[in-house]
Amino acid sequence: QVQLVQSGAEVKKPGASVKVSCKASGYSFTSNGISWVRQAPGQGLEWMGWINVYNGYTNYAQKFQGRVTMTPDTSTSIAYMELRSLRSDDTAVYYCARESRSGSYFDYWGQGTLVTVSS
Amino acid sequence: QSALTQPASVSGSPGQSITISCTGTSSDVGSYNLVSWYQQPPGKAPKLIFYEVSRRPSGVSNRFSGSKSGNTASLTISGLQAEDEADYYCCSHARTNTFVFGGGTRLTVL
Repeated sequence: QVQLVQSGAEVKKPGASVKVSCKASGYSFTSNGISWVRQAPGQGLEWMGWINVYNGYTNYAQKFQGRVTMTPDTSTSIAYMELRSLRSDDTAVYYCARESRSGSYFDYWGQGTLVTVSS
Repeated sequence: QSALTQPASVSGSPGQSITISCTGTSSDVGSYNLVSWYQQPPGKAPKLIFYEVSRRPSGVSNRFSGSKSGNTASLTISGLQAEDEADYYCCSHARTNTFVFGGGTRLTVL
């Protein structure tokens, strides 16, 4: 069955970077895109961007452009999301989500990775 | 891109029906039949319950139904059960190939 397993919780200082991984299994990794979605404590879901795992094409939400990089490692079926210049309001649970073949919805989600930004 | 507008909370008694609205603009909900809905129990990851407005993934109860009119999409849950208690989020494809989520609605089963 399809599974997305994310890396563990992180604690970072303001100004640092974090790199979260998302290991996919149960399907052909290059057949579907991966989006990253975050959720601040007690808040709603926020779409950060998307990567076409097959060719590496990315499309980031305007809010994160210049600060986020999404990359795939097709040899290990792992997608990565790196967020730089962390601020306290980046504290959130970060989810990877597999996009449908049509690219119009998210059919499987990772378990989430808590990133805490604190001095 | 502003978040889609959902009521912060809705409630209903077991067996009743409730509807959660999701209002966007002509740049997102109004332009595409690409609205999806997600159910998120407390402390868990979201789960897809509807896609492309009214398509239900296998395994999702037929007590759930989805629709859209103009810039507003709706999720209706009939025959409310205690297990339906969760946060619900709508999401729409938007111009420039992006996605936008609603602010979320907490469903309480009384």
